[in-house]
Amino acid sequence: EVQLVQSGAEVKKPGESLKISCQASGYTFISSWIGWVRQKPGKGLEWMGIIYPADSDTRYRTSFQGRVTISVDKSISTAYLEWRSLQASDTAMYYCARGGPTSHWGQGTLVTVSS
Amino acid sequence: EIVLTQSPGTVSLSPGETAILSCRASQSLSGNLLAWFQQKPGQAPRLLIYGASTRATGVPDRFSGSGSGTDFTLTISRLEPEDFVVYYCQQYDTSRLYTFGQGTKLEIK
Repeated sequence: EVQLVQSGAEVKKPGESLKISCQASGYTFISSWIGWVRQKPGKGLEWMGIIYPADSDTRYRTSFQGRVTISVDKSISTAYLEWRSLQASDTAMYYCARGGPTSHWGQGTLVTVSS
Repeated sequence: EIVLTQSPGTVSLSPGETAILSCRASQSLSGNLLAWFQQKPGQAPRLLIYGASTRATGVPDRFSGSGSGTDFTLTISRLEPEDFVVYYCQQYDTSRLYTFGQGTKLEIK
């Protein structure tokens, strides 16, 4: 069974850094693209970017380029989403999702940024 | 970036009726790489349809997708109470620059 298990909720202050994770199991991690999706409270789904674990080929949506970093650790079948300096506007639920179409989703990580 | 526009924003229907949701792309989707998702409150989205018309595993046949090029439709027949949630379309172009529509909320009339 394919599973994507994300790290727990985070509460951070503006300007702080953060790295959230998504551990995959039940399939060959390196052979499927894995992406990240943002959902602000009460709003729709926003595609952020995607990575191919085999070679770390990464594609960012223009509006997220330079704001976040997507990476993987193949040795532990885990994808990451990282911020160097959080803003209040980054408060959202973040989902990882496998493939295209995105057939399997993590449970979501709630990130709250507040002073 | 391919922009997906869903309509209507909200649709009000009664159980047992048929819902027709639309998704229009700003450019033709090669290979009809268009998916539909259902999202219930507090849950991650669930894949319903991919390739514009192929039902994902376990999806009831009340859900059907159609369309090609720039115009796509999700039809939900014989609406059941649990169907009254939010639906999104997604294009998953081979460039990997995916996008979602803004969503359609299906509410009970």
